[in-house]
Amino acid sequence: DGGITQSPKYLFRKEGQNVTLSCEQNLNHDAMYWYRQDPGQGLRLIYYSQIVNDFQKGDIAEGYSVSREKKESFPLTVTSAQKNPTAFYLCASSREPRSTDTQYFGPGTRLTVL
Amino acid sequence: RKEVEQDPGPFNVPEGATVAFNCTYSNSASQSFFWYRQDCRKEPKLLMSVYSSGNEDGRFTAQLNRASQYISLLIRDSKLSDSATYLCVVKGNAGKSTFGDGTTLTVKP
Repeated sequence: DGGITQSPKYLFRKEGQNVTLSCEQNLNHDAMYWYRQDPGQGLRLIYYSQIVNDFQKGDIAEGYSVSREKKESFPLTVTSAQKNPTAFYLCASSREPRSTDTQYFGPGTRLTVL
Repeated sequence: RKEVEQDPGPFNVPEGATVAFNCTYSNSASQSFFWYRQDCRKEPKLLMSVYSSGNEDGRFTAQLNRASQYISLLIRDSKLSDSATYLCVVKGNAGKSTFGDGTTLTVKP
């Protein structure tokens, strides 16, 4: 089955630790995205990548880092510099970054920093 | 002012009711528009794209008004299973999407 997978579903970390969230897609999509969602709020864009080995900052990139070494994979690292990292993290992909293409989401990772 | 604004609700309606949600956007250069549905603690899923001519998918109708910069979603004959949060999404020509905070709908028996 084609789709987007994120792991783990739930993640607990101690304050001050870096943590990497996984996102893999087998849809052959060029564009991939990371969003953060806080309770009662919409999605905010952290980083996006339109092509392998290239990515751009979104609206709230501070304290996060990404890489795009393979088309299928777009891992997100939440660093200790992120002041309030507890949130629901959603990865998405689209066939191309054109405006008409819809995004498909993975099931998300709930990160709790203790 | 937020780039994309939605009435957060909640909207509480009985089964069979008709309910409408509006969404306004500030960037007149926006290219594409979508409605997503998000169930509690799940990922958003595409409900429908919104076209200038308006489009319908079963009980759901979406409209776009570029002059007034708003889009709408109409749900007819509401079902219990329609209970969810509905997210308005506006996309620019650079491929970046902006999400509204969502409108919560609860359909009651």
